[in-house]
Amino acid sequence: DAGVTQSPTHLIKTRGQQVTLRCSPKSGHDTVSWYQQALGQGPQFIFQYYEEEERQRGNFPDRFSGHQFPNYSSELNVNALLLGDSALYLCASSLLLWSYNEQFFGPGTRLTVL
Amino acid sequence: AQTVTQSQPEMSVQEAETVTLSCTYDTSESDYYLFWYKQPPSRQMILVIRQEAYKQQNATENRFSVNFQKAAKSFSLKISDSQLGDAAMYFCASLQGGSEKLVFGKGTKLTVNP
Repeated sequence: DAGVTQSPTHLIKTRGQQVTLRCSPKSGHDTVSWYQQALGQGPQFIFQYYEEEERQRGNFPDRFSGHQFPNYSSELNVNALLLGDSALYLCASSLLLWSYNEQFFGPGTRLTVL
Repeated sequence: AQTVTQSQPEMSVQEAETVTLSCTYDTSESDYYLFWYKQPPSRQMILVIRQEAYKQQNATENRFSVNFQKAAKSFSLKISDSQLGDAAMYFCASLQGGSEKLVFGKGTKLTVNP
């Protein structure tokens, strides 16, 4: 059973460009959350997708957008990249239940903005 | 708003010894969960242990146990019989009941000396 997978592993972009990161959830999971982890910091919640809709959002600007596909995979898009967007982007998947449900994390995509 | 504070940027322990990592949190909610995650150099965030706030009994997972002091809003992780493979970044995190947004501390880097 494959766990959460993310692509690409590493990415280098320049300021002003746009980037798309991809995530495939763990088998049987229907919910995908995205986190940004700056160097030396803990992850920060960007948003979560369920049933192809954004269900919850953290304090990130509209430059950060996402999408979830019918097969539950997800994309994170970042427009007009800034140097400060350089970070490890983590995807986590879970099965939405009425109470707590464990989030399983992928290995992340390291984004460097030059 | 939930906050999580880890006051120890780095800790070290001798192999086979015991180490305790500290975490304090703040929340106005009565329904919440607390977690310790391990992030090795491979970057993949791994759940170490979970504590439901409504449970008085401290959670234990093999060599890992927590000291949950609800009134003091303290949630420390004890690692017994430390192994070289325990070396990693450890993050304390909280989750409000019904939410998918994990709130992380800044992490503690644990070094295990042979």
